[in-house]
Formats: sequence, C-alpha cells, structure tokens
Amino acid sequence: AQRVTQPEKLLSVFKGAPVELKCNYSYSGSPELFWYVQYSRQRLQLLLRHISRESIKGFTADLNKGETSFHLKKPFAQEEDSAMYYCALRGGNTGKLIFGQGTTLQVKP
Amino acid sequence: EPEVTQTPSHQVTQMGQEVILRCVPISNHLYFYWYRQILGQKVEFLVSFYNNEISEKSEIFDDQFSVERPDGSNFTLKIRSTKLEDSAMYFCASSAQGLKNTGELFFGEGSRLTVL
Repeated sequence: AQRVTQPEKLLSVFKGAPVELKCNYSYSGSPELFWYVQYSRQRLQLLLRHISRESIKGFTADLNKGETSFHLKKPFAQEEDSAMYYCALRGGNTGKLIFGQGTTLQVKP
Repeated sequence: EPEVTQTPSHQVTQMGQEVILRCVPISNHLYFYWYRQILGQKVEFLVSFYNNEISEKSEIFDDQFSVERPDGSNFTLKIRSTKLEDSAMYFCASSAQGLKNTGELFFGEGSRLTVL
C-alpha cells in the first residue's frame, strides 16, 4: 500500500537553527516525492520535488530509497518559514498524490 | 499570476441536502483534481478529470459524488445527500500536464463544507 508518514505534528525551532522535517514513505516501486507548503491563510503550493534536485528558499530534500525517506532540510531557519509542510508521494502509473499528515513548522524569533 | 479559484469559501448545509462546489482552474490547464481534508486528517485524493471524463477516482468518490466541466472554465464537484462526515475542506487543483508527466499541481484556497 502507498503511504506517507510525517511523524511530527509540530516542530518548533529558533530562528537560525537547522530544520529537518521528516518524511517516510511506503511504496514498492519507484515513487516520485514532493514537498508542499501552506503558509498561513494561503493555498497549498509546491515547494520542491525530488526529481528536480533543486534548492527552494534554502530547503533541500534527498530521496533515500534505502531508508524510504524524503526529509526536508534547511540549515538556518527563518521566521517566514513558519508554515504547514506536507510530504506527498506519487507512485506508478497514476496521477494522484498521497499526502502525509503534515508538520507545522514554527520558527521562533 | 494565474490562480485556481474556488467558490464558495465556506458553505453550511443541512444533512441530506445537495451541494455544488465550484472551481475555475488555470485557463490553459488540462488536468483537474479534487482533494479533501477532514479536520485534523490528511489531504485525500478524490478524483482526477481529463478530456471531459474521470481519469482516476478514489474509494471515497462513490455514487454520492460527481464532477462536471459544464463549460470551458468551471469544474464542479457535486455532493448529493450530504452526510455529517462530508464536512471537510475541499481543494480543487489543476495542472498543465498530468502528474505522470511531472506536471505541477496548482491548488485553490479550498471550500470549507460544514454539514449540520
């Protein structure tokens, strides 16, 4: 079964601290992984996807097939990073996304 | 920047009533989706739509639900005979390409449905 797990409901860090939002997935084939972000009172928007291998707003995520993980990292958190972050998976010959529960990142001044 | 727009932003209805949630996808997009999020739970896929027909649907999307693209701009989700458990935030999304071609999903702000 396809499943995405984000073990932390809330992650609270101070400004300038490193951030790691955890995401683990369950999928037997080769999945496509995404991170979506929802800032306060805004819509869900794509942050990054593993196939792009790019850094967006200082965030990076590496797909680790051995550990079935796609953790989101940023070396120095900023207050404007405070938001809800969703990890999502697309597997196989399908167009649908499977979302994790979401993690609220709170960056304190 | 073009956006997906959804109306209404919030609808309150009585159990058993029919509800239509409306979405205007981004104009050159070809693939349309509905997702929902029950309070405190995950965002769940409901249905995808391409070329005027459903291309994929989840187990949640039973006979109570239907989608339609009645004209060139709107994409609607109809929920017949609403139940309490249909209370959720419903998100419309669109993409220029199907996700099979790594098309990015653009989401609307959501329509909150409250069934009393």
